[in-house]
Amino acid sequence: GQQLNQSPQSMFIQEGEDVSMNCTSSSIFNTWLWYKQDPGEGPVLLIALYKAGELTSNGRLTAQFGITRKDSFLNISASIPSDVGIYFCAGHSQGGSEKLVFGKGMKLTVNP
Amino acid sequence: ETGVTQTPRHLVMGMTNKKSLKCEQHLGHNAMYWYKQSAKKPLELMFVYSLEERVENNSVPSRFSPECPNSSHLFLHLHTLQPEDSALYLCASSQSPGIRGAGGPTDTQYFGPGTRLTVL
Repeated sequence: GQQLNQSPQSMFIQEGEDVSMNCTSSSIFNTWLWYKQDPGEGPVLLIALYKAGELTSNGRLTAQFGITRKDSFLNISASIPSDVGIYFCAGHSQGGSEKLVFGKGMKLTVNP
Repeated sequence: ETGVTQTPRHLVMGMTNKKSLKCEQHLGHNAMYWYKQSAKKPLELMFVYSLEERVENNSVPSRFSPECPNSSHLFLHLHTLQPEDSALYLCASSQSPGIRGAGGPTDTQYFGPGTRLTVL
């Protein structure tokens, strides 16, 4: 089945630092979504990308839909302690099923 | 309330119990989903409903029984569960369930806070 490779799997950073994470797929995707999940909560949609090359910002978050349509990245600038959580990429592949495919997540730890 | 809500937030049950999880969406969406999230595993899609009709059953054991009485409500009925069924159960909704090759804004899923289920 479809798989998304999300990296890195975890990151430990100092408050104020920037962090970058990415997802790649072996097939073309029509949609890239980035979610954040806090412990014991459901994933919250951060950014949605629907066009190749699209660059979208949401506050300190910036995400891009790769021009090849096989990858996406998410950047967080000037991290703060509340950025701690698990970040998931997800997407719909072109010509694939209706299922939303998820990455395995990246656990972010921010040291004050 | 707004968004997607789930009750209860926490549930502990024995293997012989029968319980139900409830999900309600206030977004006017037509598609609803049940996911299972176990520790250190990707989200697993269980069921998809579109306009109250089940359109996806992802090889889920019969001890999980979904019900969608209308487009705003989704239930997951549980009976004779096993300890390995302990997990976070997430409900999601989207405007449409997606069509092959699409995946636009109408297919974007919004999640509820989940029910943490522990089976003893």
